[in-house]
Amino acid sequence: RKEVEQDPGPFNVPEGATVAFNCTYSNSASQSFFWYRQDCRKEPKLLMSVYSSGNEDGRFTAQLNRASQYISLLIRDSKLSDSATYLCVVRGSSASKIIFGSGTRLSIRP
Amino acid sequence: NAGVTQTPKFRVLKTGQSMTLLCAQDMNHEYMYWYRQDPGMGLRLIHYSVGEGTTAKGEVPDGYNVSRLKKQNFLLGLESAAPSQTSVYFCASRNADGSNYGYTFGSGTRLTVV
Repeated sequence: RKEVEQDPGPFNVPEGATVAFNCTYSNSASQSFFWYRQDCRKEPKLLMSVYSSGNEDGRFTAQLNRASQYISLLIRDSKLSDSATYLCVVRGSSASKIIFGSGTRLSIRP
Repeated sequence: NAGVTQTPKFRVLKTGQSMTLLCAQDMNHEYMYWYRQDPGMGLRLIHYSVGEGTTAKGEVPDGYNVSRLKKQNFLLGLESAAPSQTSVYFCASRNADGSNYGYTFGSGTRLTVV
């Protein structure tokens, strides 16, 4: 079993739709959680951190469920510009213990 | 503020050649990392450094060496390139203060070994 697992997609949804991704992690001692966005042939960029109480940034909502060991990302009113690959990132206590998921590809159609 | 700068952006090597990838950051970050990204594999950690003069192995260190002689620079070396090292290489850095902030990545180096 991979330490961080994501559905690779692709998710193909119409503009304006709401879409949600989950990411599961295996290490219960994981401490920090992030969602990154990666455009084709570009570097990953931080989309948002994921806090225990859940957090929202505009159209994006991230949640953490420690009991079930998953994090989620919800995108409301999706835009064409949201088309990208979304990477789940889980960090442990040590500097090296950072695991990237393989990413979920999202494509928004007009 | 440039952030994290990687050079070169593209390179084609012949099998057996050597090269060095340079990563430079101007954010005074303590931690620096080298990753490779292959299709369907996600980002895999090659080597990392928690401070000037220190380096450590990551998940896939074989065939690579690194050095961190200055805090702002982290070099990745390939002594004898192999086709299996064809990949996109990303450098990243972050603070060591335990904050909940993520990494800053460089724009990547696309390496092809023929």
